[in-house]
Amino acid sequence: NAGVTQTPKFQVLKTGQSMTLQCAQDMNHEYMSWYRQDPGMGLRLIHYSVGAGITDQGEVPNGYNVSRSTTEDFPLRLLSAAPSQTSVYFCASSEVRGAPYEQYFGPGTRLTVT
Amino acid sequence: AQSVTQLGSHVSVSEGALVLLRCNYSSSVPPYLFWYVQYPNQGLQLLLKYTSAATLVKGINGFEAEFKKSETSFHLTKPSAHMSDAAEYFCAVTSNRDDKIIFGKGTRLHILP
Repeated sequence: NAGVTQTPKFQVLKTGQSMTLQCAQDMNHEYMSWYRQDPGMGLRLIHYSVGAGITDQGEVPNGYNVSRSTTEDFPLRLLSAAPSQTSVYFCASSEVRGAPYEQYFGPGTRLTVT
Repeated sequence: AQSVTQLGSHVSVSEGALVLLRCNYSSSVPPYLFWYVQYPNQGLQLLLKYTSAATLVKGINGFEAEFKKSETSFHLTKPSAHMSDAAEYFCAVTSNRDDKIIFGKGTRLHILP
């Protein structure tokens, strides 16, 4: 199993550009989520999904869209990038919702918006 | 809403000394609690988790944590620090009534030779 994969590893965008961060898992996990990590702020939940076709907002959803058309994939879209979105983005998955299952994290995408 | 507070953004201990990383939680329902570790330029990996089965939880790499409901705490300890323990550690909380998993701001552990 590859686990949780994220592409790209690094990305530089100009303000106003759009892009999609890809996340895929091959463990048949129901639950997937996106976090951003900023110095001194820890990990903050952006969006999450408890299954295909179901998504919900986390702590910091503004400026980001998600969809979950398959169990495996959970892309994160930045519609109009802003410098405040410069961060490291992590995707994670776990077996089911509402249970103390371990979250498996991807390696992260480092995004810089100029 | 649930939350966790990690006391101390940076902690330094000498090699061989006791490691103590503090986490306090807030939850109106019985919580599930986790400690994750992040090594430089990597994603997070699970150290241990509390699921109400036992208050003293043992994890990987010699770490353990004790759930204390009266103190709303879930502090992480290791009797003897190794240089390889240098990393950032995150406490997280959720419950069986919540789909969100909330992380603390993290504590960076430095090991002094």
